[in-house]
Formats: sequence, structure tokens, C-alpha cells
Amino acid sequence: NAGVMQNPRHLVRRRGQEARLRCSPMKGHSHVYWYRQLPEEGLKFMVYLQKENIIDESGMPKERFSAEFPKEGPSILRIQQVVRGDSAAYFCASSAIPGPVQTNEKLFFGSGTQLSVL
Amino acid sequence: EDKVVQSPLSLVVHEGDTVTLNCSYEVTNFRSLLWYKQEKKAPTFLFMLTSSGIEKKSGRLSSILDKKELFSILNITATQTGDSAVYLCAVEGGSNYKLTFGKGTLLTVNP
Repeated sequence: NAGVMQNPRHLVRRRGQEARLRCSPMKGHSHVYWYRQLPEEGLKFMVYLQKENIIDESGMPKERFSAEFPKEGPSILRIQQVVRGDSAAYFCASSAIPGPVQTNEKLFFGSGTQLSVL
Repeated sequence: EDKVVQSPLSLVVHEGDTVTLNCSYEVTNFRSLLWYKQEKKAPTFLFMLTSSGIEKKSGRLSSILDKKELFSILNITATQTGDSAVYLCAVEGGSNYKLTFGKGTLLTVNP
């Protein structure tokens, strides 16, 4: 049973280009969460999606950032016109039901995509 | 806004030492506190704590929560070089899906 798969592992973009980060949740998981980890900072919540729905995007910058989780295929985090400040590690997590719960159900994280903007 | 503060930010010990990592928090409608180990990027789950005073244990690692004083500790006994990692503390608050993370404690265990 493959874990949460993110690709690419490393992505280099020049200022002004677009970055597309992909996340395939664990099999059977329909809830996806994106977190961003800036250097020397903790992980910050960005967005929570279920299949074809954005549930909460309160942590995502209003401009240039968008996320989707289509009926078929991986979840995509898209950053348009990247700037140097977007350089960070972007983590995706998935769960079968919303969030950590009082059972053995856990949030499973992918290995992240390290975005570097030149 | 929910807040998690971890201390120390970094720690260097020798193999065999015992370490205690601290996590204090302020959160609306506390649901749970979680500890993760982050090495080579992917955070991996260690513990979930919901009740005060009940120690959770896994091998050499243990953790306990104090909901009155709003903190948790993670203990690692007889440390090994493989314990070197960033240890993240997170709280689950008002919404049952959004985690607020601390900045982590970088633990380095030297042989």
C-alpha cells in the first residue's frame, strides 16, 4: 500500500514561472491537505480538499495560489508567477476521514516538494 | 489564533543520554496534540494525546500531556544516532482537520 506520493521531489523555477505540485493520496483516502514549511518555520496549513471540493483555503495566499483535487487524478497545488518568497517545502497529507481522530486513524504525510525560486 | 511553541529549538546530546522536548500551546477548542518525527523531509507520526496525565509510550519514546498547564513533553531515553531528527509538535483545535505546528526541535545525537 503506497503512501502519500508527491512529485516532483525538487522543483526549480525562475521568478515569474508557474509551479505545479502534485499529490496522490493514500489508496482509499479522499481528504487531502496542503502545508507549507518555510525555512526555520513550522508547517503552516494552506488548504483542505475533498474530491472536487475545496473545503477550507483559509491558509492559502489569495493571489497566485490555487489548488484542486479532481474526481480522477492527483491533487494539484498551482503557484503562478512565482517569487523568491515562495521557496519552501510543500507537504501534502491525506486521511480517510477528516483530520486526526481519537482512533488509530492518522494523518499521513508525503515526502514533500522542495520548491526553489531563482 | 492557535499557537504552538517548542523548546529548545535545537539540542545536541551524546548517545545514551535522555532528552526531554517541550511543547506549550494556546488553542481554541482543544481536540488533540500530536508529535511527529521529521527526518529527510516526511513527518512521521509518533503520538496523539487527548487526555491529561496519561503517558503514551513506544519503545524508548514517551509523551504526556498537561491540559491544565497547556503543555506536553516528549521523552527519549537511551538516545541513538538514529533519533537525530526534527521533532514537531502540533495541535488540533477548533476545526477537526487543521493542525497548528510549532517550529520543531532539532535533535542531534552524536556517537
